Amino acid sequence: EAGVAQSPRYKIIEKRQSVAFWCNPISGHATLYWYQQILGQGPKLLIQFQNNGVVDDSQLPKDRFSAERLKGVDSTLKIQPAKLEDSAVYLCASSPGTITATEAFFGQGTRLTVV
Amino acid sequence: AQRVTQPEKLLSVFKGAPVELKCNYSYSGSPELFWYVQYSRQRLQLLLRHISRESIKGFTADLNKGETSFHLKKPFAQEEDSAMYYCALRNYGQNFVFGPGTRLSVLP
Repeated sequence: EAGVAQSPRYKIIEKRQSVAFWCNPISGHATLYWYQQILGQGPKLLIQFQNNGVVDDSQLPKDRFSAERLKGVDSTLKIQPAKLEDSAVYLCASSPGTITATEAFFGQGTRLTVV
Repeated sequence: AQRVTQPEKLLSVFKGAPVELKCNYSYSGSPELFWYVQYSRQRLQLLLRHISRESIKGFTADLNKGETSFHLKKPFAQEEDSAMYYCALRNYGQNFVFGPGTRLSVLP
């Protein structure tokens, strides 16, 4: 099956600029996650969607980050305005979200550098 | 609060030696435990999960609820095992919480 697709792979922006990332999950996966992975750390959840509804966005810096999952399929994550500390890899993952199929499948990630 | 710790940032072993990557967790409920692996220039992928009780690529991990640990073991390390390994927990219906990761380097 096709994996989780993310674009772009790399992005360099200046601080205070805006940026958007796109994710296409595996077909049929109800759950979609966005994670932020800062160099040397493990992935940290930003937001979790179940279909097109938000399940958990408690760690999303809502003053500058926003995410949506229209029609319960693709998702976009936006940062506006970016700060230097937002430099990280942004990972999208999806999961069937059933009792027996709980693992998350990850995309290649988008590496963001804020200068 | 859910938390996963991996005490070693880097673990180096020689080819053919046993390897154990440590993982401890804190959670009040009954979490699912996973090991994810990231090989060089590849995406993060599932290695194994505790509910499957399976061996993947020679790796096994046993959930010890008393010690709240889920250590990853392999009796004979191979050079192709060199990668970043992340321990993660998930409460049913919730998201994944990842540890900081351990870089395994298998020397020839």
